[in-house]
Amino acid sequence: QQQVKQSPQSLIVQKGGISIINCAYENTAFDYFPWYQQFPGKGPALLIAIRPDVSEKKEGRFTISFNKSAKQFSLHIMDSQPGDSATYFCAARRSSGAGSYQLTFGKGTKLSVIP
Amino acid sequence: NAGVTQTPKFRVLKTGQSMTLLCAQDMNHEYMYWYRQDPGMGLRLIHYSVGEGTTAKGEVPDGYNVSRLKKQNFLLGLESAAPSQTSVYFCASSYRLRSSTDTQYFGPGTRLTVL
Repeated sequence: QQQVKQSPQSLIVQKGGISIINCAYENTAFDYFPWYQQFPGKGPALLIAIRPDVSEKKEGRFTISFNKSAKQFSLHIMDSQPGDSATYFCAARRSSGAGSYQLTFGKGTKLSVIP
Repeated sequence: NAGVTQTPKFRVLKTGQSMTLLCAQDMNHEYMYWYRQDPGMGLRLIHYSVGEGTTAKGEVPDGYNVSRLKKQNFLLGLESAAPSQTSVYFCASSYRLRSSTDTQYFGPGTRLTVL
């Protein structure tokens, strides 16, 4: 059972446009939601993360929007640049109970930003 | 700081052969993880460790064994490799769980092909 569903699988955006990647989760015990960025041939790296006590978190051109009631969160990349071309993974984790050490990842979105 | 390093970077095995993947971190992290990444499947947790001398199963542990004899090292073993274990393997590490953050730092990956 996939606990974190990510969409779309791939995304093509023009330079300067807005990239939007969506994730939905099932386990209401999740309380930490990071996004990871992975370039080809590299390991994933933390991009930005949010906890459910806030509805939005912004860091530069990257924003996470969080909807607790809908159990959804999304990554927005403003003014997308070719250097943003990478695979993005959303993830979720619970702070206590069974599986509290584990991050559950979505299947990833391959973003291509074209000039 | 080298961060998280993995050895080897590439390996080709024949079915039935065994091998060990080495992960080392120099950040004094308590927690270490082994993931596998397959196309369209995201990152799936194989095993993890919450401290020296401890290991635990993740989502896809079958066919793998691990050991954490030293805090800075986490070994992943394949006793009898199968073609289904062809994948890219990532090691990650993190501090002890805190109330606000849980950044997992990933290594560069090991690309394993089992023929």
